[in-house]
Amino acid sequence: AQSVTQLDSQVPVFEEAPVELRCNYSSSVSVYLFWYVQYPNQGLQLLLKYLSGSTLVKGINGFEAEFNKSQTSFHLRKPSVHISDTAEYFCAVEGAQKLVFGQGTRLTINP
Amino acid sequence: DAMVIQNPRYQVTQFGKPVTLSCSQTLNHNVMYWYQQKSSQAPKLLFHYYDKDFNNEADTPDNFQSRRPNTSFCFLDIRSPGLGDAAMYLCATSPYPIGAGGPYEQYFGPGTRLTVT
Repeated sequence: AQSVTQLDSQVPVFEEAPVELRCNYSSSVSVYLFWYVQYPNQGLQLLLKYLSGSTLVKGINGFEAEFNKSQTSFHLRKPSVHISDTAEYFCAVEGAQKLVFGQGTRLTINP
Repeated sequence: DAMVIQNPRYQVTQFGKPVTLSCSQTLNHNVMYWYQQKSSQAPKLLFHYYDKDFNNEADTPDNFQSRRPNTSFCFLDIRSPGLGDAAMYLCATSPYPIGAGGPYEQYFGPGTRLTVT
């Protein structure tokens, strides 16, 4: 069965600093991976997805993620964060018949 | 713009009083999903419709029902809400279901926050 582990429940960073949100997965089938962002009291918005091909995936709002098959990881990165990046971030893997989400990482940006 | 709309955004109901949440979409997608998201937790899939075919998750309580009268609309009915049903309810759509040759992105609505008093 597929599963996702987000290693940090909360990540505080200063504005304009780089950030990495960590995600590890397990899957016994073809791996399709996603990062979603959820702003306060909003639904989920897709940031980026890995389906196949290049292991470095670029998404919206300056985010990117790297798929590492040997380490079963799909970490999300941004070189310089902004106050508006304050949100909950969910990593997900496509499982049998449904998306399997991690528990989320709350990113807080300090001025 | 094509979108997924949920009404109302905030719903307050009384313990045991039936409540219905609404979702509509202009994407003309075949699949509509309902998720429950409790505070500081990941979304949990309750069920989904693929066209008119209803697919219930094994651990979804019988208290939760759904209706899809047409392609555009889908409703979540909670027959007797308990305090533990207070959560954000998210509707999502996709062109086709997982496993049907995709993957297919899911498009989420803004959610309905349900409070049970």
